Amino acid sequence: DAKTTQPNSMESNEEEPVHLPCNHSTISGTDYIHWYRQLPSQGPEYVIHGLTSNVNNRMASLAIAEDRKSSTLILHRATLRDAAVYYCILSVTGNQFYFGTGTSLTVIP
Amino acid sequence: DADVTQTPRNRITKTGKRIMLECSQTKGHDRMYWYRQDPGLGLRLIYYSFDVKDINKGEISDGYSVSRQAQAKFSLSLESAIPNQTALYFCATSEGTFYEQYFGPGTRLTVT
Repeated sequence: DAKTTQPNSMESNEEEPVHLPCNHSTISGTDYIHWYRQLPSQGPEYVIHGLTSNVNNRMASLAIAEDRKSSTLILHRATLRDAAVYYCILSVTGNQFYFGTGTSLTVIP
Repeated sequence: DADVTQTPRNRITKTGKRIMLECSQTKGHDRMYWYRQDPGLGLRLIYYSFDVKDINKGEISDGYSVSRQAQAKFSLSLESAIPNQTALYFCATSEGTFYEQYFGPGTRLTVT
């Protein structure tokens, strides 16, 4: 059973904001929501994570729905270096990460 | 130098051969992980270790074994490789349960 559902692909114009959605309707109360991204030919890299409240860091913002069944990763100004596959992940009991198939983001100059 | 290194970076082997993939880290983290990635798919957890005496099976451990030789080293073995184990393998480390995972560059394994 898929634990997270994301669109297969999205496009954004350079310097525009990007909103990457994720559904996780079976999330439990102790599951954290993590976002990682994978650039071509590289290992995944951490973007952001949260539990209930919205979170901000230097890379992005994470908006978590009040019922926690969905979340949105927000890149405030997309650059060409942000072109990657973005994974929305639940950490079940904090120990295991369950990656979905991710969203391939294309940034158009 | 990279914090998480994996050797080899590429390997081609034949069905039935034993193969070991190695991972080393300089971050001083207790937790280490092995994942595999198949084309067009996300990563799936094979094994994870919270310290040198604690090894746990992940989502897809059948056909694999691991060894935690030291805090900094975590090896993945395929005792008898089969073609459907052809994949990209990643090692990762983390400081704790809810902390960021740091991934290595990956090992591309092909079993013919």
